[in-house]
Amino acid sequence: KNQVEQSPQSLIILEGKNCTLQCNYTVSPFSNLRWYKQDTGRGPVSLTIMTFSENTKSNGRYTATLDADTKQSSLHITASQLSDSASYICVVSAPGIRVTDKLIFGTGTRLQVFP
Amino acid sequence: NAGVTQTPKFQVLKTGQSMTLQCAQDMNHNSMYWYRQDPGMGLRLIYYSASEGTTDKGEVPNGYNVSRLNKREFSLRLESAAPSQTSVYFCASSEDGGGGNSPLHFGNGTRLTVT
Repeated sequence: KNQVEQSPQSLIILEGKNCTLQCNYTVSPFSNLRWYKQDTGRGPVSLTIMTFSENTKSNGRYTATLDADTKQSSLHITASQLSDSASYICVVSAPGIRVTDKLIFGTGTRLQVFP
Repeated sequence: NAGVTQTPKFQVLKTGQSMTLQCAQDMNHNSMYWYRQDPGMGLRLIYYSASEGTTDKGEVPNGYNVSRLNKREFSLRLESAAPSQTSVYFCASSEDGGGGNSPLHFGNGTRLTVT
């Protein structure tokens, strides 16, 4: 069964520190991997989308990496800010026929940044 | 641009009551989706519409119906609400059908409680 697992479930860091969130997946074949940020009470917002051939992609202080051989991705946040407090969701896209096979969501990592 | 707009933002229903959740997007996207989000679980697809006039069941369609009124609007109806339908509902849209490289654009959700 296609699955996406994220770790840790939750994380607390101090403002200004760096952190790394992990995403492991068993989806095969694979089209792309996405990271979304979801603020409390809001819908998810796309941060990055990486295809099979991309190893890294940045969006400001957010850098996502992808190792398609080991089926692992990470999201690195540099110099964290209070506004980074949110849930981060990993989503793997697959070239399935049925729409339910096309987007597989992880359960998210909840990040809290304290001053 | 407003993006994806959902109404209402909050709703409380009694068991057996019915209601319709409204969603509209102004990005001229063909694909639209309804997801539910529950604590500790990833987003789960309820229904999907690839284009005006077409709808497909997702992972958890029981107890729901949808209407793709036109290209902009995609509504979700609960005919007889049950406590198990207490959740946060998100509407989303995308240029492609989820398996491509286009991101999903989400609304800010409807928080539904069924007592």
